[in-house]
Order: sequence, then C-alpha cells, then structure tokens
Amino acid sequence: GAGVSQSPSNKVTEKGKDVELRCDPISGHTALYWYRQRLGQGLEFLIYFQGNSAPDKSGLPSDRFSAERTGESVSTLTIQRTQQEDSAVYLCASSLGTRGHGYTFGSGTRLTVV
Amino acid sequence: GDSVTQMEGPVTLSEEACLTINCTYTATGYPSLFWYVQYPGEGLQLLLKATKADDKGSNKGFEATYRKETTSFHLEKGSVQVSDSAVYFCALSDLEAGNNRKLIWGLGTSLAVNP
Repeated sequence: GAGVSQSPSNKVTEKGKDVELRCDPISGHTALYWYRQRLGQGLEFLIYFQGNSAPDKSGLPSDRFSAERTGESVSTLTIQRTQQEDSAVYLCASSLGTRGHGYTFGSGTRLTVV
Repeated sequence: GDSVTQMEGPVTLSEEACLTINCTYTATGYPSLFWYVQYPGEGLQLLLKATKADDKGSNKGFEATYRKETTSFHLEKGSVQVSDSAVYFCALSDLEAGNNRKLIWGLGTSLAVNP
C-alpha cells in the first residue's frame, strides 16, 4: 500500500485480556519495526524483522509480548494478560532496510488497559 | 554504545522566531542522522536526513547539517509557524551489520509556537 497501515487505531481492553495489534507495511519494505511510546515519552524499541532473518526481540519487555511476521508482509504484535502499564501507543514502521533509508511509520494503535 | 542526546523541552516560541533544537550523538562509525516530527495526534514522519559528514538535510524550511567534528545534527528554522508545533525526534542509524537497522532515538523535544 501507499503507507504503513495499523489496526485497530484505538483499543480499550480489560486488565488480564489478550490483545493483538496488526501492522501492514509498505510493499517491498523488507524491514519492520515495532515501538512503544508512552504518553509524553520517547520511543521504546520492541522488535525488528528483516526479511527472513531471525527477528531481533531484544526490546520486548516481558514474555507476555510476542510478535510474528510472515515473510515480508503483515506483522502482528500480541500482548497476553495485559497490565495497566502496557497502556501506550504502539507504533509500527517499515523500511527498505538499507543504510541511509529512514523509516515510514504508521499512525499507531493507542492501547488503553482498564 | 551509540546514543543520541537532544535538548530538553518544551520549547515555546512566538511565530516568526528563529528555532534551534540541539542534537548530539555518540557513534563508533559513520551513522546516518535523521530528524523526525510528530504532529499532535499523528504518527512520526521523516523530516530530513543526512548520510555523511557535512551533508545538509532540508525540508519544509528546516535544515540540519551533519557535523562530524562536533558530533552534532542541530535542527534549525529561520522563522517558525504555528503549524510547526510538534515533537521533534533526532535519531541515528545503528551501524550493526552495515545497514540501517534499529534507529537510536533521542527523547524528543516538544515545540509550541504561539501566534
């Protein structure tokens, strides 16, 4: 598509429930990134996919967080047993993955855990 | 490891004032440098970039010059508008494996421009 698409744009969930966030990257972008942005704060790296290589999961905050990507297409970020501290905007970005090429971000999913 | 330091905000200016947002970095090699902007309620957008020393990135009246000698990439604009009110993020590329993998991000600087 023309841009990075994320869904849903907003999600309110009860504490303890599982949520699944979706990211549809720009066609042809081999690299895909998930970030978390808490209110008024900077970007917190979560996970990175590059082509068929093993993902870099070094930013995932706990084993409740996981992400998948099939090939160079859609990615899903799953948060199990959500906690209130998971409330944030979850941003997805894609890139050609080459030096000097910036990211294109989606509009994010605003997750609120009540 | 690599890092990015931005001046703390918030920065409040009057319309047509001159803007400088400082950004300095530490890196072991020759990173690419970026400025991203996040307008209220929107996602991040790439504002400008520079991929080697002395390069100047420019867009929408904003400029930043890649200064290797001072390890800086300060964002400047000669005359800001109310519509420039946003959060600005400085970032550098992670040189691991020689490609643009994870960007290293500054914490962001909030700019408010008053009419």
